[in-house]
Amino acid sequence: TQLLEQSPQFLSIQEGENLTVYCNSSSVFSSLQWYRQEPGEGPVLLVTVVTGGEVKKLKRLTFQFGDARKDSSLHITAAQPGDTGLYLCAGGGGGSNYKLTFGKGTLLTVNP
Amino acid sequence: SQTIHQWPATLVQPVGSPLSLECTVEGTSNPNLYWYRQAAGRGLQLLFYSVGIGQISSEVPQNLSASRPQDRQFILSSKKLLLSDSGFYLCAWSAATRSPLHFGNGTRLTVT
Repeated sequence: TQLLEQSPQFLSIQEGENLTVYCNSSSVFSSLQWYRQEPGEGPVLLVTVVTGGEVKKLKRLTFQFGDARKDSSLHITAAQPGDTGLYLCAGGGGGSNYKLTFGKGTLLTVNP
Repeated sequence: SQTIHQWPATLVQPVGSPLSLECTVEGTSNPNLYWYRQAAGRGLQLLFYSVGIGQISSEVPQNLSASRPQDRQFILSSKKLLLSDSGFYLCAWSAATRSPLHFGNGTRLTVT
């Protein structure tokens, strides 16, 4: 069974601060996705990374896939209250039996 | 554009009562369909997925079942609800097996 550990579980910061959240596993994933979920809603895809060492930027968000494709990080620059939410990473296995494994998420609160 | 509808948004049911949650997708054909359960606003547990009409794969033995009577319709059912069935149920679709997931807004189920 592939497991994804996300850290920290909870993060509360002030507007304007930078932060990094992590997604780690002992398993290799063919791809990794990051989602953000707001209370009472379904998760929304932010990015998909597929290549080891890949870095993708989405405005103030920077996503990195580890060289060995076992871990990923999400860095937010100058956080804003609108960034508040649950950040979930999800890894896709290889082969024909592809299924997404979700981490438990990092609950981020950005205070104004 | 593609949309996913999931209803009801909230549901309170007594123990032992039946359950039927419905999910429909518009704007795409032959999607992969998924039912997830999320406990306490945290990680997602895959319950069922379907790659075509009448094709259902179960991930976790439980008190629930799923059906796909039409291409873009996915139903989650139970004959007799248990207290442990309470949770946030999310339906999702993807264009293909390795494609990102698009989630509905979920159903908050409380079994009393």
